[in-house]
Amino acid sequence: NAGVTQTPKFRVLKTGQSMTLLCAQDMNHEYMYWYRQDPGMGLRLIHYSVGEGTTAKGEVPDGYNVSRLKKQNFLLGLESAAPSQTSVYFCASSPTGSGQPQHFGDGTRLSIL
Amino acid sequence: AQSVAQPEDQVNVAEGNPLTVKCTYSVSGNPYLFWYVQYPNRGLQFLLKYITGDNLVKGSYGFEAEFNKSQTSFHLKKPSALVSDSALYFCAVRDMNFNKFYFGSGTKLNVKP
Repeated sequence: NAGVTQTPKFRVLKTGQSMTLLCAQDMNHEYMYWYRQDPGMGLRLIHYSVGEGTTAKGEVPDGYNVSRLKKQNFLLGLESAAPSQTSVYFCASSPTGSGQPQHFGDGTRLSIL
Repeated sequence: AQSVAQPEDQVNVAEGNPLTVKCTYSVSGNPYLFWYVQYPNRGLQFLLKYITGDNLVKGSYGFEAEFNKSQTSFHLKKPSALVSDSALYFCAVRDMNFNKFYFGSGTKLNVKP
């Protein structure tokens, strides 16, 4: 019963490099989300998806792209990493229905040098 | 616009004493409110929610929360704190129009023996 799995768990990049963070959920949830967590700022929504093949911008989308080609996977891409993108990234999923909470992965700790 | 405020960055309480972690919200329409807990190097875990009905909702690990519509508050409470309750707590509101969640900045709870 894995829930939400994020890979990798840690990564160090140099400025200008690109990478993709993978989120996989095995609960057949329709909605998936990418957040970043920075000290004192809570969670800020980067992008989200309300179903396979759909994506939408969140609060802080600049510098990131996403894709949801399969219902169970939600990919977050950094095309040209910047030090300001050093953060902890969390993926979450939720089923449809107003009373349903989100389920979170354990995060990816990303450092941009 | 939806928003959540957690006015205290940190709450300190002695083990065995009651605890309260404060949350106020601003929403258009009916509020769907959630509390999550985050332990070090882990993702957020769902504690409890308010959707409708009784203003006092009970959740995991002995936590409860009181919904107050007139004060637009949803404070998290526990009658007797444990050292193991020490963690970061987040309040969130769900925007049903766009299937997004808005999080407070988090409150660090320190329970001392």
